[in-house]
Amino acid sequence: ETGVTQSPTHLIKTRGQQVTLRCSSQSGHNTVSWYQQALGQGPQFIFQYYREEENGRGNFPPRFSGLQFPNYSSELNVNALELDDSALYLCASSTMTGMFDGYTFGSGTRLTVV
Amino acid sequence: GNSVTQMEGPVTLSEEAFLTINCTYTATGYPSLFWYVQYPGEGLQLLLKATKADDKGSNKGFEATYRKETTSFHLEKGSVQVSDSAVYFCALSRGRDDKIIFGKGTRLHILP
Repeated sequence: ETGVTQSPTHLIKTRGQQVTLRCSSQSGHNTVSWYQQALGQGPQFIFQYYREEENGRGNFPPRFSGLQFPNYSSELNVNALELDDSALYLCASSTMTGMFDGYTFGSGTRLTVV
Repeated sequence: GNSVTQMEGPVTLSEEAFLTINCTYTATGYPSLFWYVQYPGEGLQLLLKATKADDKGSNKGFEATYRKETTSFHLEKGSVQVSDSAVYFCALSRGRDDKIIFGKGTRLHILP
């Protein structure tokens, strides 16, 4: 059983640029959630995707957007990057069917905006 | 709204000491409660969970009991090891269709 994989592990972008982060969910999971973890803080919920549609959103502006693909993998896109977007971005997968066994997190993508 | 409050760190202990990290929550209904651990440079790992009142979650010597009457989910371990040094997050969720709400985390340092 494979876990959640995220790519890339690190990247550096310039303010105003756009970035795409990727996540492959754990085998058997059909739901993906994205979280932003600023330095020294707990993760904050960005949004969740189920059946290729957004299924809940946290307090993040529209320049944060996402996609889920038929194989349940997902992308997080951030436009017009700001310095405050520098953070660890975590992907978590779970299942909406069968027994709910909690969430499995990936190792994250560390984004630095300069 | 729903929230999680956990004791601020850092917490520094000697190896083999007893550990308690306090966590209280505010939530409507009956959320599931979690403890996650984050080792340096890594993502989050689920340490233990409890889904209903009086449930005790346990893993790797860590334990936490879901106390509805005190809205608490304190993490305990009888004898910590240097390898337990990490950041610990208390969290809640109302279910698979809901987000996870995390506390701010407690950094734990274990001295040899």
